[in-house]
Amino acid sequence: SQTIHQWPATLVQPVGSPLSLECTVEGTSNPNLYWYRQAAGRGLQLLFYSVGIGQISSEVPQNLSASRPQDRQFILSSKKLLLSDSGFYLCAWSDREEAFFGQGTRLTVV
Amino acid sequence: GNSVTQMEGPVTLSEEAFLTINCTYTATGYPSLFWYVQYPGEGLQLLLKATKADDKGSNKGFEATYRKETTSFHLEKGSVQVSDSAVYFCALSDQGSWGKLQFGAGTQVVVTP
Repeated sequence: SQTIHQWPATLVQPVGSPLSLECTVEGTSNPNLYWYRQAAGRGLQLLFYSVGIGQISSEVPQNLSASRPQDRQFILSSKKLLLSDSGFYLCAWSDREEAFFGQGTRLTVV
Repeated sequence: GNSVTQMEGPVTLSEEAFLTINCTYTATGYPSLFWYVQYPGEGLQLLLKATKADDKGSNKGFEATYRKETTSFHLEKGSVQVSDSAVYFCALSDQGSWGKLQFGAGTQVVVTP
């Protein structure tokens, strides 16, 4: 069966520090991968999606970037975090029927 | 562009009460509609979905009907349990773009014994 792993679960980082969140999927090949963010009091917003290795589409302009170095690995990064980057980050993959989400990372930028 | 509007929470209910969470959408074409649930401390799980007008999605006693004429996908459950306490998200996607979801803001539901 397919599983999705996302870590860390919680993270507290100072303003201006770098960020790297990792997501891996097991049990499927060539999945579509996604990064979502939920800011406080708001719904989930799609940040990036990828249909293959090295192929990244950005949905909103922001201080973050994404990379897909391997088929089942999706990384969310920032060189310098802003306070506004705080939120709940969710990785997801999709097949032809639905999207499957990881457990999420709660990022607090202080 | 696409958008989803759902009722604000929190919604507080007693056990065995009837639950309705309203969801309306704006979309071009014929989107697929979803309800996701997030239990405390967990990620999102798909609760139910409908892919065309008049379809009814159902799961775990929850139901929602895709109403194209009113652009709505309201979630209902006839008798809630304490274990239904969670945040519920209404979402849509363009046909065939299952992972590119437009979410509502989420509705927290609290069920008390």
